[in-house]
Amino acid sequence: GQNIDQPTEMTATEGAIVQINCTYQTSGFNGLFWYQQHAGEAPTFLSYNVLDGLEEKGRFSSFLSRSKGYSYLLLKELQMKDSASYLCAVKDSNYQLIWGAGTKLIIKP
Amino acid sequence: IAGITQAPTSQILAAGRRMTLRCTQDMRHNAMYWYRQDLGLGLRLIHYSNTAGTTGKGEVPDGYSVSRANTDDFPLTLASAVPSQTSVYFCASSDLGAGSGANVLTFGAGSRLTVL
Repeated sequence: GQNIDQPTEMTATEGAIVQINCTYQTSGFNGLFWYQQHAGEAPTFLSYNVLDGLEEKGRFSSFLSRSKGYSYLLLKELQMKDSASYLCAVKDSNYQLIWGAGTKLIIKP
Repeated sequence: IAGITQAPTSQILAAGRRMTLRCTQDMRHNAMYWYRQDLGLGLRLIHYSNTAGTTGKGEVPDGYSVSRANTDDFPLTLASAVPSQTSVYFCASSDLGAGSGANVLTFGAGSRLTVL
């Protein structure tokens, strides 16, 4: 079966750095997405990786290793507004999006 | 404001009743999707439409139907609601079709449905 694994919950301190991991086992690979979802709101797009390596976008970076079935989202200079769930999703060989259950990130002052 | 509008925001429904969740987008996106989100699970695709006039089944289509009469509207109907359909429902759209690797989804604010 197809599977996306993420930690259920993480806690970090304001101003610090946090890395949220995502491992996947899918039938084929056509890209990996990260979305942010604040409580009670809609998911919003953060990043897309299709080739190995690091994609940097401001305070957020996303890394992909296709050979390891692994990605991480790196958040720097954490702010209280970064408290949210972070969803990892992979497109399989049929271009179907497989979603992880999300990682709830709690930021403490 | 450009985006996706869903209605109702929240609804409590008796089991066996028929319910339609409305979704309208003003971005002229080709593809539209309906997902459900349940605690501890990833988003699950119910139905999708790559273009007006066509629809397809997702991962969990049973008990749901959709139509795509035009580009902007994509309603989701529960013919006879059951308690297991209690969930938060998200409508989404993308400029590129589902067959494109890089299609970014824009989501509506969600409809919280409780079936008693």
